[in-house]
Amino acid sequence: EPEVTQTPSHQVTQMGQEVILRCVPISNHLYFYWYRQILGQKVEFLVSFYNNEISEKSEIFDDQFSVERPDGSNFTLKIRSTKLEDSAMYFCASSEARGQETQYFGPGTRLLVL
Amino acid sequence: QKEVEQNSGPLSVPEGAIASLNCTYSDRGSQSFFWYRQYSGKSPELIMFIYSNGDKEDGRFTAQLNKASQYVSLLIRDSQPSDSATYLCAVGMGSGNFNKFYFGSGTKLNVKP
Repeated sequence: EPEVTQTPSHQVTQMGQEVILRCVPISNHLYFYWYRQILGQKVEFLVSFYNNEISEKSEIFDDQFSVERPDGSNFTLKIRSTKLEDSAMYFCASSEARGQETQYFGPGTRLLVL
Repeated sequence: QKEVEQNSGPLSVPEGAIASLNCTYSDRGSQSFFWYRQYSGKSPELIMFIYSNGDKEDGRFTAQLNKASQYVSLLIRDSQPSDSATYLCAVGMGSGNFNKFYFGSGTKLNVKP
């Protein structure tokens, strides 16, 4: 069964460093999302992406964040200068079509900023 | 502010019993409703979705939606210890082409053998 994959599974970085989280969405899916979950808290929407551009972003997704689809399969989330409060689990999700379509989640990347 | 509310639990039920999980949402424009299961340290795993008022059954799971009351629930019949997890209610609030999900904080379910 097709699934969303994410790398790395864990990332430890120093405050102020840049990190890139990678995702490979399900191959026939066209809509991509990033969510994050701080330990013990809700899953929170960060950004949605379609046709090589951001469709919507939350207030969390400030200028430190960016997303890119560098090729036909990868979808990346970059955090330019990490802060302690960026420590969280980051989930990539994808859906096949617009509207009410189900989003399928990857296994997540656990980011720890020291 | 768009909110999705769930009882945090834990909800404890004996093996074989029915577990009932509830969720309310604030945005009347919400169109799609999803239940995910999340084991500790893992990603949300889809259980089922519901779009229309009423009940929808899938195996041991039944989702119930009442848009007038802004309420969605999940029933798990014949609960098993392996059902012990946190259950997340996600509400899709569409904006043009997209269906941004708002998640509840989850209800922790313990199924006791």
